[in-house]
Amino acid sequence: GQQLNQSPQSMFIQEGEDVSMNCTSSSIFNTWLWYKQDPGEGPVLLIALYKAGELTSNGRLTAQFGITRKDSFLNISASIPSDVGIYFCAGQWGYGGATNKLIFGTGTLLAVQP
Amino acid sequence: SAVISQKPSRDICQRGTSLTIQCQVDSQVTMMFWYRQQPGQSLTLIATANQGSEATYESGFVIDKFPISRPNLTFSTLTVSNMSPEDSSIYLCSVGRYSYNEQFFGPGTRLTVL
Repeated sequence: GQQLNQSPQSMFIQEGEDVSMNCTSSSIFNTWLWYKQDPGEGPVLLIALYKAGELTSNGRLTAQFGITRKDSFLNISASIPSDVGIYFCAGQWGYGGATNKLIFGTGTLLAVQP
Repeated sequence: SAVISQKPSRDICQRGTSLTIQCQVDSQVTMMFWYRQQPGQSLTLIATANQGSEATYESGFVIDKFPISRPNLTFSTLTVSNMSPEDSSIYLCSVGRYSYNEQFFGPGTRLTVL
């Protein structure tokens, strides 16, 4: 199935550093979602974006809906060890029914060294 | 967000057998979805579970292999039939409401086929 291109594939950083990752698509989306998945768990929703250009924060996390509607960005400031995990973007075309289905990015593995 | 549980949390099965995975939500939801996450990979949508009608399958997934039931607005099952080692994956259900784009995931079922 279709997947979104997410980069970088992995990041190994020191505690306290800032992190940036992005997601690009050949198709436009009406919604972008960012999830974090810990080992052995299901993905947890971090941020949802609904408008092109929208910038939304959730604590130390900030995400942006790209102007072209074909990309999205996630930044984590002052990383801490519990930020470790796999981060997935997901795009969605519609606003209801079967168009609610999500297309997931390839994932970014984040490792934080104390 | 809804509280979602899945049973079993993990299982080891022999090839040729079938396993039924249950997804239970603590409140009524409009949309339920089933995803597959192969080892080290991203999430791929298997099907949308429709209450009172047949599930809608994505390209590459068929009803004979992945029959789905959704008898009410809080419960769904996914069966993985005639299993082979290639079916070893994490199977996740997610839920959403019709006019809202956010989806929330269960903890997943980790399946190993020998």
